[in-house]
Amino acid sequence: EAQVTQNPRYLITVTGKKLTVTCSQNMNHEYMSWYRQDPGLGLRQIYYSMNVEVTDKGDVPEGYKVSRKEKRNFPLILESPSPNQTSLYFCASGMAGYYGYTFGSGTRLTVV
Amino acid sequence: GDSVTQMEGPVTLSEEAFLTINCTYTATGYPSLFWYVQYPGEGLQLLLKATKADDKGSNKGFEATYRKETTSFHLEKGSVQVSDSAVYFCAFSNTGNQFYFGTGTSLTVIP
Repeated sequence: EAQVTQNPRYLITVTGKKLTVTCSQNMNHEYMSWYRQDPGLGLRQIYYSMNVEVTDKGDVPEGYKVSRKEKRNFPLILESPSPNQTSLYFCASGMAGYYGYTFGSGTRLTVV
Repeated sequence: GDSVTQMEGPVTLSEEAFLTINCTYTATGYPSLFWYVQYPGEGLQLLLKATKADDKGSNKGFEATYRKETTSFHLEKGSVQVSDSAVYFCAFSNTGNQFYFGTGTSLTVIP
């Protein structure tokens, strides 16, 4: 089944403790992207990647890192999480943006 | 700058009512336009899309027409069902790399 898989689905952590949210797609998509969803703000793009070893900042990249060492994986790294990064995070992938993205089921992160 | 403005919710309708969710965009060039739907506890799913002016996207009874002259892409459905209850997001992509999403419109359909 074609899908984007994120892990974990839920995560509670403490301020400053490094964490990684994994994202994997099995559709051989070139484009991958991370978004955060917050009430009243919709979805905001954090980082995106056009291919292996090619990444770029979205609208809200501060406090996040990404890497794209393999085509199928695009992990989101929070080196020192803070409470304002409490949010619902989505990973997405696609052949090219004009065709739309396939989204993962989301990761709800709480930083206390 | 580039942005999407969509109708604020929440919207509550009775089953079989007509639905319109307004969406307008500000973008340079000729963006591709999308509607996504998010059911409770799930990720976003592509509902329909249109890639050029006057194109009509349609899926599951939903329709939206790319109106370049009014920079709009309103979502419509003639007869909503309880199962249509979800959050709907309007979006566009200008370069193929970055998507711009609206803030979402929550729809509840009551029997």
